[in-house]
Amino acid sequence: GAVVSQHPSRVICKSGTSVKIECRSLDFQATTMFWYRQFPKQSLMLMATSNEGSKATYEQGVEKDKFLINHASLTLSTLTVTSAHPEDSSFYICSARDYVGWTEGNFIQYFGAGTRLSVL
Amino acid sequence: DAKTTQPNSMESNEEEPVHLPCNHSTISGTDYIHWYRQLPSQGPEYVIHGLTSNVNNRMASLAIAEDRKSSTLILHRATLRDAAVYYCILVTETSGSRLTFGEGTQLTVNP
Repeated sequence: GAVVSQHPSRVICKSGTSVKIECRSLDFQATTMFWYRQFPKQSLMLMATSNEGSKATYEQGVEKDKFLINHASLTLSTLTVTSAHPEDSSFYICSARDYVGWTEGNFIQYFGAGTRLSVL
Repeated sequence: DAKTTQPNSMESNEEEPVHLPCNHSTISGTDYIHWYRQLPSQGPEYVIHGLTSNVNNRMASLAIAEDRKSSTLILHRATLRDAAVYYCILVTETSGSRLTFGEGTQLTVNP
């Protein structure tokens, strides 16, 4: 199946610094990519949806100025956590959608391996 | 968002079939049923999806009830590597076709 590559897999940073996470779809073009966050022993929470060439759509409660998303090409989306604080420590997972039919729900969504962010 | 209901946990023995149930009584005609699974410390993995008819692929089978208010994911021969959290998700056009993850079913496979 298709592969979504996410980098880095783990990052440790000091409070107040910014961290960029890259997400690439390796063998298909992804018009739409997604960013999720997962805290320990919890389910995935959708943070935002990014469409190539346009602004991301953020879920309620997610600060768009803190979590900057850029989807500049059909194979690359980036998430930048600005001025990270310890409460931003989490597992961040990107995802890319590949439609297999013409109807809206007929797709396969591929996920990256995740980035574990630890803010000291 | 359209909701699904799954058991919190299930157990199976290795090399035996596993039937993971999912209830989605509020499903509407254009909603797709998707299944994903997540192994510990990894991103989720696509398993299977369907609309009305039963579906088979190399990983699993999806049996959809005639009224579409429930479905069952079938793993034909469980292996230890199938131990994961399995998520049944309704994809609805009214919610922007998002994949919204609930709590899922934690599947334990005993050797």
